[in-house]
Amino acid sequence: AQSVTQLDSHVSVSEGTPVLLRCNYSSSYSPSLFWYVQHPNKGLQLLLKYTSAATLVKGINGFEAEFKKSETSFHLTKPSAHMSDAAEYFCVVSDPDSNTGKLIFGQGTTLQVKP
Amino acid sequence: DSGVTQTPKHLITATGQRVTLRCSPRSGDLSVYWYQQSLDQGLQFLIQYYNGEERAKGNILERFSAQQFPDLHSELNLSSLELGDSALYFCASSVGQYGGAGREQFFGPGTRLTVL
Repeated sequence: AQSVTQLDSHVSVSEGTPVLLRCNYSSSYSPSLFWYVQHPNKGLQLLLKYTSAATLVKGINGFEAEFKKSETSFHLTKPSAHMSDAAEYFCVVSDPDSNTGKLIFGQGTTLQVKP
Repeated sequence: DSGVTQTPKHLITATGQRVTLRCSPRSGDLSVYWYQQSLDQGLQFLIQYYNGEERAKGNILERFSAQQFPDLHSELNLSSLELGDSALYFCASSVGQYGGAGREQFFGPGTRLTVL
């Protein structure tokens, strides 16, 4: 069965410093992985998606994620945090070999950005 | 703006009542998904419809039901409501019926249900 584990429930950084949000996945197959962001009182927005075309995936707002099969990880990074990055981040997996499109969400990581 | 609309934005009701949540997918999307976000369970998949047909079921209670209409909008019906049903309910849509590489879903703003 597909699953994702977000290793930190809460990450706090200072504005202008790097961001690292960690995600490990469990999959018997080549996974389809996504990062979504949820700002307070807002819906979920896609940050980036892994399509197997490249292991380093670039997303919106300067975020990147690197797919590492040997480590079963898909960590999200950003070189320099902005105050507007404060939000809840979800690592998500979709099982490409199931007969459905359902997404499986990690428990989420709350990113706090301090001035 | 994802193009997915949900109404109402907020809903406050009492235990034992029944409510209907509505979702309109992005233009051209044939799949509609419902998810529940609660503090204790996180974000969980409830049900998927594709072009009017039920495609997959997740952790959806028997008191809950959904349908997708010919114009592709969907409704989630929650009945005999309990305090524990208080949550944020998201609708999402996608073009196809399967997941896989690059096949992301687009989420609506959600309906916040409060059961008193």
